[in-house]
Amino acid sequence: DAKTTQPTSMDCAEGRAANLPCNHSTISGNEYVYWYRQIHSQGPQYIIHGLKNNETNEMASLIITEDRKSSTLILPHATLRDTAVYYCIVRENLSTGGGADGLTFGKGTHLIIQP
Amino acid sequence: DAEITQSPRHKITETGRQVTLACHQTWNHNNMFWYRQDLGHGLRLIHYSYGVQDTNKGEVSDGYSVSRSNTEDLPLTLESAASSQTSVYFCASSEAGQETQYFGPGTRLLVL
Repeated sequence: DAKTTQPTSMDCAEGRAANLPCNHSTISGNEYVYWYRQIHSQGPQYIIHGLKNNETNEMASLIITEDRKSSTLILPHATLRDTAVYYCIVRENLSTGGGADGLTFGKGTHLIIQP
Repeated sequence: DAEITQSPRHKITETGRQVTLACHQTWNHNNMFWYRQDLGHGLRLIHYSYGVQDTNKGEVSDGYSVSRSNTEDLPLTLESAASSQTSVYFCASSEAGQETQYFGPGTRLLVL
C-alpha cells in the first residue's frame, strides 16, 4: 500500500468547512483513497473512498487531484461531534486484485472543532 | 439494523489466564478482522478470516488465536494473558470483494 502523509493536527471553527489534506505521491493506478475517522473511545468509522473522481456522500466530500498524488477530505459544516482523528489510507480495491487483509492506519490528523 | 458487537466492553484479568473476546456481526460479512490499538502504535492487525474455517495471522499474532465456526462470529483468545497484551481490541468486518471495513465499539483489556 502506498504511504500517506497527513498533518498531525488541525483546528476548525464550528459551522465552517473542515478541509483535511493527505499526500499520497506514490499511489499506483489501481489504488483507492479511503478515509476513516476515530472519535475518542470509539471504533474507527468509514467515511468515504474514491479512485480518481471526486466523491460526495452524506458525511463528506473527497477531492482527489488530477495526478492523484494528494486528496482533501471536506466536512462541509463541521460540528463539535466531528472532533476526531481522521485517517487517510491508500488501498488496492479487492475487485481489482487487492487482498482482504488489514488496513494500515498511520497517525492520522487530530481534527479539533472549536465552538 | 445490522451491526457488529463486541463483548465484554471492559475486562480485567490476571497474567497467565486464558481470555476470550467475542465479536459478532449480523451483516453476513465473509471477512472479519481483529486489531489492537496502543498509544504510539495506531491499530495493528492481529488475525483475520475470509470465511468459515479460514484464519490468517496478522502483524502481531503471537499469543493470540482465532477460530471461525460460523459467518457471524470471530472470537479472539489470549491463551495465557501477558501484561503486554493490555490494550484496546477492535473487531471489524467487510463484505467479500469489498474493502470497506466496519468496526465494533472495542474491548478494553487490562492484564494485571
